[in-house]
Parts: sequence; structure tokens; C-alpha cells
Amino acid sequence: QQQVKQSPQSLIVQKGGISIINCAYENTAFDYFPWYQQFPGKGPALLIAIRPDVSEKKEGRFTISFNKSAKQFSLHIMDSQPGDSATYFCAASKEGGKLIFGQGTELSVKP
Amino acid sequence: DSGVTQTPKHLITATGQRVTLRCSPRSGDLSVYWYQQSLDQGLQFLIQYYNGEERAKGNILERFSAQQFPDLHSELNLSSLELGDSALYFCASSARNGGYGYTFGSGTRLTVV
Repeated sequence: QQQVKQSPQSLIVQKGGISIINCAYENTAFDYFPWYQQFPGKGPALLIAIRPDVSEKKEGRFTISFNKSAKQFSLHIMDSQPGDSATYFCAASKEGGKLIFGQGTELSVKP
Repeated sequence: DSGVTQTPKHLITATGQRVTLRCSPRSGDLSVYWYQQSLDQGLQFLIQYYNGEERAKGNILERFSAQQFPDLHSELNLSSLELGDSALYFCASSARNGGYGYTFGSGTRLTVV
């Protein structure tokens, strides 16, 4: 019940394309769903987050879509750029507790 | 610079040895979280401290221990090291006793040889 499953493991997208990463969770008590971006040699950095009372949140080129009934959420990166090449992690927590992370998606945006 | 400082950045040590990793949280943050990142296990939560007290424990081995000092910096002690302990160890901090809005440090890369 504590798992967060993330797919795909790796993703190659052309510059200007849309990158889509999906996550699924089991624990319906989770109430906070962030996405983190990690570049090589750096720690994960918070990108965008959503609460289950909204179905979508957009910040610039990054959008989280949230489907409470399906217990799924996804990250969409519009107009993907080579600088977006990084590893992306979804995560979930309940009542402000520890974050449970997905396994990560290595995104490569080709010029 | 995230404001969370971890030292050292790299550490190479032999099996059976003991090491100490240090973390200084962002100014004003009271919670410190330790995570282990390995290729096969992803980011695994180890332990959380809030204002000096242990608040949550994850998959932390008995050979590992941590503490948070009055100045809020934290140390993760790893003993009787094994090859499988080689990983990136991250510290994160947040203002409250909660997981909203973690800020991660740049990590300590531990290599056990």
C-alpha cells in the first residue's frame, strides 16, 4: 500500500515534443503528490506538486494531471527542450509524512 | 544552491569501516530527512528528525544510526560497511514536521571497496 509505481523507466523525446510520465499509487490516504527533477550529480529538486482536490495543475511548460478514481497522476512536459533532460521522480505522502518515491524516469530530449 | 549542505561530497572507504555523513538544513527548517539512492532501489527513506527528535523511521539498517543536534544539523552514521552500502545519501529539510516541500542537498556519494 506504500508503493508508488512509475513508468516508463526511460523516455526519448524530440525537441519540441511532449514528454509524458505516469505514476500510480495504492494508498488512498495519500494527499500530496509532488514531482522532482534530478540532474546528474545533484539532489532532486521540487518541480511541481498537486493535492487530490484538483484534477490539473500547470506551471509554465509543466502540467500535472491527477485522476483520483484511477489512483494515477502524470507529468506532462510541453515543448520539451534538451535542457529538460534529467531524471524525474514522482512521489506521494500522507498527512505531511515522509515522501514515497517512484523509481524514476530518465528523460532524454534530442535536439 | 538549495541551502541544504551535505559533507563530504564523496567518500571512499573499505568494508567493515564506519563513516559519518553530515547535513546542515536550510536556515529555519526544523525537519531533516535522510534518503538512500541506489540504482536498483531508487530513493529510499531512511529516517526523519524534527527539532532534535526522531519522528519517522524507514528501511534503515541496524548498522545505521542518525541524530539531530541542538543547532539542527544532522549526522548519519554508517558502520560495519558492506559493498552493498555504496550509494548516494541525500539529506532533505523542511520547515515543519511534514513532507510538504522538501529541499534536498546535493548528496554524499559513498563508495565501499
